[in-house]
Parts: sequence; C-alpha cells; structure tokens
Amino acid sequence: EDQVTQSPEALRLQEGESSSLNCSYTVSGLRGLFWYRQDPGKGPEFLFTLYSAGEEKEKERLKATLTKKESFLHITAPKPEDSATYLCAVQNSGGYQKVTFGTGTKLQVIP
Amino acid sequence: EPEVTQTPSHQVTQMGQEVILRCVPISNHLYFYWYRQILGQKVEFLVSFYNNEISEKSEIFDDQFSVERPDGSNFTLKIRSTKLEDSAMYFCASSSIMNTEAFFGQGTRLTVV
Repeated sequence: EDQVTQSPEALRLQEGESSSLNCSYTVSGLRGLFWYRQDPGKGPEFLFTLYSAGEEKEKERLKATLTKKESFLHITAPKPEDSATYLCAVQNSGGYQKVTFGTGTKLQVIP
Repeated sequence: EPEVTQTPSHQVTQMGQEVILRCVPISNHLYFYWYRQILGQKVEFLVSFYNNEISEKSEIFDDQFSVERPDGSNFTLKIRSTKLEDSAMYFCASSSIMNTEAFFGQGTRLTVV
C-alpha cells in the first residue's frame, strides 16, 4: 500500500527565514509526486509535479526536489502570504489513478 | 483562468437522506475525480471517471456512492443514504492528462445530522 509521511506537522517561521518541508514516500513504482497548497476551507491548489529522482522545479519562493525515497519543498525568504498547509501526494505507476495524500505540513509565516 | 466549480458550498442533510453534490470540471479536461477530507484528516481518493465510466474507485466508494456525468459539463456525486460519518469536505477535481496537474474545486462541506 502506498504511504506518504510529511514532516514536520507544523512549522512556524519568521518572515524571511528559509526552511524545508519533508515528504517521505513508499510506493511500489512512482508515476508522479505532487505538491499542493491548501488554504483553510479551500481546495488543494496545484504547485508541482515531479516524476524522477534528481528532478527539481521552482515557482517564486518555492523549490521542490525529489529523491528515490523523499521530496523536499524548500521555501526561500517566505512571506506571510505563504502561510498555508502544504500537501504532498503520490501516484503509483501500476496503472492506477488513485493519488495518495500525506497529512500535510501547516506553515505559519510571522511578519 | 479556468476553474473547477462546485455547488453547493455547504449542504446540511439528515441521516438517511440522499444528497447530490455537483461539479463543473474545466471544459477541455477528460479525467474527473472525487476526493473527500474529513475535518483534520488527510485528503482521500474516492473515485476517478473517464470516458463516461468509473476507471478506479477506493474502498470508501461503496454501493452508497455513485457518480454520473449527465451532460457535457456536469459531474455529480450521489450518496444514497447518508450516514453521520459521511460528514466531510468533498472535492471534485479534473485533469487533462491522467493525474498530471489535477485542478481542484473549492469543495462542498457536507454535514450529516
């Protein structure tokens, strides 16, 4: 069974203080790893898809990286508007469409 | 920017009643999904739909659940006889390529009393 574990559960940063969120995954074969942002009471907002180890993607202050066992979401010089829950999810390459989500990291950026 | 829209935003229903949650996926997308998120828990896959049929479903998606694409734009989730434990946020999503860049709606909060 596919599993996704995210750490830490919660993270509080000062504005401008860079950090990383971790996503460890277990899957028999990886089709794709996804990062989403979720604001309270809203649906997940797509950020990145990573397909193979060594791949990196960037968007504004966010950079996602992938290894064979984990993914990191690096946040550089965060701003208060980056406060949200960041979700990691994986899709198995075994022909299945099911996406398995982690429980997320709740990020709070303090001015 | 195209978006997935869901209605209603909040539905309160009595236990045992039928509910239909509605979604309008992004117009050129081919794959449609329903997920749910119980308060404080993770997002869980329910079902995927392609070419007018279910392509995959989870163990949560039992005989009480059904999906339909009644016309060219709407995608619905029906729960036949709601239980208290069906209370959750239900998200519809769609994608143009299978699970790449899936776009989520804002959700329907279902409360069963």
